[in-house]
Amino acid sequence: EDQVTQSPEALRLQEGESSSLNCSYTVSGLRGLFWYRQDPGKGPEFLFTLYSAGEEKEKERLKATLTKKESFLHITAPKPEDSATYLCAVQPMNSGGYQKVTFGTGTKLQVIP
Amino acid sequence: EAGVAQSPRYKIIEKRQSVAFWCNPISGHATLYWYQQILGQGPKLLIQFQNNGVVDDSQLPKDRFSAERLKGVDSTLKIQPAKLEDSAVYLCASTATGFGNTIYFGEGSWLTVV
Repeated sequence: EDQVTQSPEALRLQEGESSSLNCSYTVSGLRGLFWYRQDPGKGPEFLFTLYSAGEEKEKERLKATLTKKESFLHITAPKPEDSATYLCAVQPMNSGGYQKVTFGTGTKLQVIP
Repeated sequence: EAGVAQSPRYKIIEKRQSVAFWCNPISGHATLYWYQQILGQGPKLLIQFQNNGVVDDSQLPKDRFSAERLKGVDSTLKIQPAKLEDSAVYLCASTATGFGNTIYFGEGSWLTVV
């Protein structure tokens, strides 16, 4: 069974204080790993897709990296508007021909001015 | 490009009553998902459609939940009778055919069962 574990559950940062969120996964072959941002009262908003170990993607203050067992979401010099819950999800190779996706429980980030 | 549309956004019902949620996916997206997200948790897949066929409903409580996707476009998720533990956000999402494609979510339908 596919498993996705995110840590920490919650993170409180001062504005400008860089940090990283972790997503550890167990799948029998990874097709893709997704990062989403979710604001309170909203649906998840897509950030990145990573396909293979060593791949990196950046968007503004966010950079996602991928290894064979985990992914990191690095946040550089965060601002209060980066406060949200960040969700990680995986799509396995053996999804029976369908695009099965399993989500983690998320990391709730709070950036204090 | 229009996003995934869901309605209603908010619903409060008493336990044992019924409720239905509607979803219109992004045009052309063959795959449609319904997820349940309880406060503080990640989304949990309830049912996945490929066109108008069900490809995964292993976590759908079939004694009370049902879903359909007529003509491979819009979808409806129904709960009858509702229980207190069904209080959650029901997220609809869609994606184009092809592995690794982005999955787009709607804003969600918030259900409170009292």
